[in-house]
Amino acid sequence: ETGVTQTPRHLVMGMTNKKSLKCEQHLGHNAMYWYKQSAKKPLELMFVYSLEERVENNSVPSRFSPECPNSSHLFLHLHTLQPEDSALYLCASSQDAGRASYNEQFFGPGTRLTVL
Amino acid sequence: AQKITQTQPGMFVQEKEAVTLDCTYDTSDPSYGLFWYKQPSSGEMIFLIYQGSYDQQNATEGRYSLNFQKARKSANLVISASQLGDSAMYFCAMRGKGGSEKLVFGKGTKLTVNP
Repeated sequence: ETGVTQTPRHLVMGMTNKKSLKCEQHLGHNAMYWYKQSAKKPLELMFVYSLEERVENNSVPSRFSPECPNSSHLFLHLHTLQPEDSALYLCASSQDAGRASYNEQFFGPGTRLTVL
Repeated sequence: AQKITQTQPGMFVQEKEAVTLDCTYDTSDPSYGLFWYKQPSSGEMIFLIYQGSYDQQNATEGRYSLNFQKARKSANLVISASQLGDSAMYFCAMRGKGGSEKLVFGKGTKLTVNP
């Protein structure tokens, strides 16, 4: 039990669909992250939210839209995706106490997304 | 820019033996942190061990130890007494610069433990 849950675990969608990925953390953390893991590539950071404000957006296409309504919940809204967006999407959380601190990130089990 | 290099796409080890997974890093930041994560086939990333750049001693956590050689910029993971459940992908990561706690990951090493 990692304390970070993601739903759904698997998602198949067409290029014209709109769907959302949900992440919830039960650890009392103040920072949450979205990562993309494609086959044979390193994990790519997509978005970072700290204290419910977006602090980093790694040049992610606008067809991915994050939402962080509170410190426990993080969403990734998807629309008009491309087949190359098929990947494992991982959510993580941590207690962000500044650069000098050691704060491991706790990951959820991921959502396996397939875009047809 | 921060970079993590894992040169071993796959490694095999016999059960009960020790194995070393390689990780080298590149950074100009004098203060940084190094992490190892395990990812079983279920997809979840599991934190294993952490090494701070100013830590005097190599980190250890149970059967996991980190062979930290700062001058060589290497942070190899050593797993002792391998178990079948250790079969998984292993990722080395570094905490990057900036106000957010951004992690930069390597491409990973797939470890297979043989009975």
